[in-house]
Amino acid sequence: DGGITQSPKYLFRKEGQNVTLSCEQNLNHDAMYWYRQDPGQGLRLIYYSQIVNDFQKGDIAEGYSVSREKKESFPLTVTSAQKNPTAFYLCASSIAPLAGPYNEQFFGPGTRLTVL
Amino acid sequence: AQTVTQSQPEMSVQEAETVTLSCTYDTSESNYYLFWYKQPPSRQMILVIRQEAYKQQNATENRFSVNFQKAAKSFSLKISDSQLGDTAMYFCAFQTGANNLFFGTGTRLTVIP
Repeated sequence: DGGITQSPKYLFRKEGQNVTLSCEQNLNHDAMYWYRQDPGQGLRLIYYSQIVNDFQKGDIAEGYSVSREKKESFPLTVTSAQKNPTAFYLCASSIAPLAGPYNEQFFGPGTRLTVL
Repeated sequence: AQTVTQSQPEMSVQEAETVTLSCTYDTSESNYYLFWYKQPPSRQMILVIRQEAYKQQNATENRFSVNFQKAAKSFSLKISDSQLGDTAMYFCAFQTGANNLFFGTGTRLTVIP
């Protein structure tokens, strides 16, 4: 079955530690995205990548880093510089942005990160 | 700046009844797409319905329909014959040519048996 997987589902981190969230897709999508969701707020874009080896900052990139070495994978690292990392993180993907005027984003099941 | 406003943090509806969720947005773009996403307790984001801004006809998907008022920048979602499985958070969002989604803060809908 085609889809997006995120692991782990729940993640705990001690304050001051870096942690990496996994996102893998087998939909053959070119574009991938990371969102953060906090209670009472909508999703906010952290980083996005439209092609392998290229990515751009979203609205709240500070304290986060990403890589895009493979088309299928777009891991997100939450660094110790992120002041309030406890949140729900969602990964999404879509077909090539330039393929048309609209490209639906498909979402993974999410990872709940808690800083202890 | 692109903004999306959902003014109803919580709503409830009796099973089989109809409910309307409100959404307004602000953008200087002339070409964009509007969406309603559903997030059930599993937290999986599911696309409910979408509307192209250049189309005047309101989109419909089974029990879900929208009332798109472009001049007023309003995009409400109507759910007919509400079912228990409709209980979820509903997010309004729009997408510009840059392919990035902008989300509202969500409306928590509870369907009462």
